[in-house]
Amino acid sequence: KQEVTQIPAALSVPEGENLVLNCSFTDSAIYNLQWFRQDPGKGLTSLLLIQSSQREQTSGRLNASLDKSSGRSTLYIAASQPGDSATYLCAPPAPPGNTGKLIFGQGTTLQVKP
Amino acid sequence: GEEVAQTPKHLVRGEGQKAKLYCAPIKGHSYVFWYQQVLKNEFKFLISFQNENVFDETGMPKERFSAKCLPNSPCSLEIQATKLEDSAVYFCASSQRTSDEQFFGPGTRLTVL
Repeated sequence: KQEVTQIPAALSVPEGENLVLNCSFTDSAIYNLQWFRQDPGKGLTSLLLIQSSQREQTSGRLNASLDKSSGRSTLYIAASQPGDSATYLCAPPAPPGNTGKLIFGQGTTLQVKP
Repeated sequence: GEEVAQTPKHLVRGEGQKAKLYCAPIKGHSYVFWYQQVLKNEFKFLISFQNENVFDETGMPKERFSAKCLPNSPCSLEIQATKLEDSAVYFCASSQRTSDEQFFGPGTRLTVL
């Protein structure tokens, strides 16, 4: 059974800092992993999808890495801005099989202060 | 459409009443997924469809919950005889293939009184 842990649970930083959000998962037989952002009272916005064959995926100031063998993914946010304040969720799929069923971590709630 | 659409945005039901939620996936996406978010960040997978066929229903409660995706109609999630613990935000997502990025709708907030 896939279990996902995200550390830290909450983070408050001044604007401009570079951040690392951590995600660990128990079942490494995954074909991809998706990172999402959720603003209060809103839906999920997909940030990055990293395939199991990739080690990194970049989008703007965001960079996600995936290490299947150790069951870890990190989301790196460069030069954080107040607009980055949100909850960030890591979601690998639930093995076995390629079913698309996502298992979510509890999230890291980020506050970036101006 | 270019986005996943969900209606209604909010739904309030008395305990024991029926609730029906709708989802229109992104045009061209073959897979539809339903998730339930209870409390702040507890997401639970409910069911997925490949076109109009149930693909994975391992998360669906055995009683009271049902879902359909019919051709040329929005997908629906129905809860018969709602209970207080059904209060949650229900999200629909779609993707072209199971290994592709999932795009989420804005959710339907169900409140059972």
